[in-house]
Amino acid sequence: DGGITQSPKYLFRKEGQNVTLSCEQNLNHDAMYWYRQDPGQGLRLIYYSQIVNDFQKGDIAEGYSVSREKKESFPLTVTSAQKNPTAFYLCASSQYPGGTYEQYFGPGTRLTVT
Amino acid sequence: AQKVTQAQTEISVVEKEDVTLDCVYETRDTTYYLFWYKQPPSGELVFLIRRNSFDEQNEISGRYSWNFQKSTSSFNFTITASQVVDSAVYFCALSEGYSFSGSARQLTFGSGTQLTVLP
Repeated sequence: DGGITQSPKYLFRKEGQNVTLSCEQNLNHDAMYWYRQDPGQGLRLIYYSQIVNDFQKGDIAEGYSVSREKKESFPLTVTSAQKNPTAFYLCASSQYPGGTYEQYFGPGTRLTVT
Repeated sequence: AQKVTQAQTEISVVEKEDVTLDCVYETRDTTYYLFWYKQPPSGELVFLIRRNSFDEQNEISGRYSWNFQKSTSSFNFTITASQVVDSAVYFCALSEGYSFSGSARQLTFGSGTQLTVLP
């Protein structure tokens, strides 16, 4: 089955530690995205990648970093510089770049930092 | 700048009732795209519909229907004969397409409407 996998589903970290969230897709999509969701709020774009070895900052990129070394993988690192890292993180992909195409989402990773 | 407003934070209905979820958007572009996504309790967003700004025809898919009205900048979503399985958070989203420089614009999501369907 084609789709997007994110692991782990729940992640706990101590304040001051960096943590990397995994996102893999086997849909052969060019574009991939990372969103953050906080309670009662919509999704906010952290980073996106339109092609391998290229990525762009979204609306709330501070304190986050990404890489896109392979088409199917787009890991997100939440660094210690992120002031409020506790949130639900969603990874998505679309066949072509840009928001004009439907995006397919993974199951998400719920990160708790204490 | 693009903006999406979903004024209804939470809606609760009894099974078999019809329910309409409101979405109002703001954009200065003439070309744009509107979406609805469903987020069940499992967390994964599910794509429901995509509509471009040049297609104002209403759409029906089973119990789901969408009313796109450019005159009021609205893209409302109606569920007919609601079921418990319809309980979820529903997001409306907007994309303005491409900028003058050719770079692709990204999606802007509304804050979502939590729909609870009671048995």
